[in-house]
Amino acid sequence: AQSVTQPDIHITVSEGASLELRCNYSYGATPYLFWYVQSPGQGLQLLLKYFSGDTLVQGIKGFEAEFKRSQSSFNLRKPSVHWSDAAEYFCAVGAGSGYALNFGKGTSLLVTP
Amino acid sequence: GAVVSQHPSRVICKSGTSVKIECRSLDFQATTMFWYRQFPKKSLMLMATSNEGSKATYEQGVEKDKFLINHASLTLSTLTVTSAHPEDSSFYICSFRRGAGVADTQYFGPGTRLTVL
Repeated sequence: AQSVTQPDIHITVSEGASLELRCNYSYGATPYLFWYVQSPGQGLQLLLKYFSGDTLVQGIKGFEAEFKRSQSSFNLRKPSVHWSDAAEYFCAVGAGSGYALNFGKGTSLLVTP
Repeated sequence: GAVVSQHPSRVICKSGTSVKIECRSLDFQATTMFWYRQFPKKSLMLMATSNEGSKATYEQGVEKDKFLINHASLTLSTLTVTSAHPEDSSFYICSFRRGAGVADTQYFGPGTRLTVL
């Protein structure tokens, strides 16, 4: 069965510092991988996704993620965090096109001045 | 990006009553949509998958007679929580699927906070 693990429940970074949010998955084949961000009162917004091809994926808001098959990981990174990035971040796995998503438990990001 | 709305954003009801939550895609049509439930500090859990014009497919453990899904059109789906109880209190989120293959993306509504007293 698919599973998604986000090891960090909370992360605090200073504004301007770099960020890495971890995501590990368990799945038999290469899954479809996603990162979403959830802000209060807003729907989940897609940051980026990986289906195939280049393992370094660029997303919106300056985020990127790297798919590492050998580590079953899809970590999200940003070189310089802004205060507006404070939110809940979810990694998700899909079995394929048209399938529902299996979400991790989320990582809450706090950005300090 | 695509826009999905949910109404109401918050609802408080008494135990035993029914609550209807609407989910609309505002700028695209979608055959497939999903309903999720999110507990505090927890992940989103898939409740059901719905294709327009067909009966919804419910996940194991989700009571189809309690959580009625009506996917009436390509832009509208409703979730009715019947005879709600306090344990049904949760955050309900819908999503519409758009595109296929590598373009396949789910667009999520902002969620509905249900509190059952």
